[in-house]
Amino acid sequence: QSALTQPASVSGSPGQSITISCTGSSSDVGGYNYVSWYQQHPGKAPKLMIYEVSNRPSGVPDRFSGSRSGNTASLTISGLQAEDEADYYCSSYTSSNTAVFGGGTKLTVL
Amino acid sequence: QVQLVESGGGVVQPGRSLTLSCAASGFTFSSYGMHWVRQAPGKGLEWVAVVSYDGNYKYYADSVKGRFIMSRDNSQSTLYLRMNSLRTEDTAVYYCAKVNCGGDCYSRPDYDYWGQGTLVTVSS
Repeated sequence: QSALTQPASVSGSPGQSITISCTGSSSDVGGYNYVSWYQQHPGKAPKLMIYEVSNRPSGVPDRFSGSRSGNTASLTISGLQAEDEADYYCSSYTSSNTAVFGGGTKLTVL
Repeated sequence: QVQLVESGGGVVQPGRSLTLSCAASGFTFSSYGMHWVRQAPGKGLEWVAVVSYDGNYKYYADSVKGRFIMSRDNSQSTLYLRMNSLRTEDTAVYYCAKVNCGGDCYSRPDYDYWGQGTLVTVSS
């Protein structure tokens, strides 16, 4: 149950686009269509932003999109806004019928 | 509206036990898988355990297997986490989380609702 690999930090200016990667293995990210992304502001519970690789829950802006290539999933935020500054976590279902999270990525909006 | 309210956190000595509860409302509790996720101070999210909608299936992270027991009481819409042989590294905010689809998709880490979290501090 090794954590998925995410970059520790990314940054971008308002209006720009950024992408956060999440690398696992064929036993998790690459093997199932069950990758999710969460946004967490300081002191708050996480919020579901993407599920099943690329689906957005109702209420999540379409500036947020998800994709996957092989064992790496990605979260792209376009038209970056100040309120997007937060920690982002990926998660995946695994072949052991468990779940695993990435280490988290701190997004800074410059 | 959906609400998940955790309770039972506190300060406990290493080696002791503690039981967390998560009271659910606003949805048909018995139809959804539930998970526990924790977050150590200043650290990332760590998946802890899952229980199926009917309580028949439970899976645990290696870090807690054999020490933590997850259960649910569907008649009371309440989720539990019994934590035994606690270690200092178990210190964290513990969240309960609801899976966003019902039935057999209980293991998917698609959490549409989270509780506010309850802090467990393991310290002598």
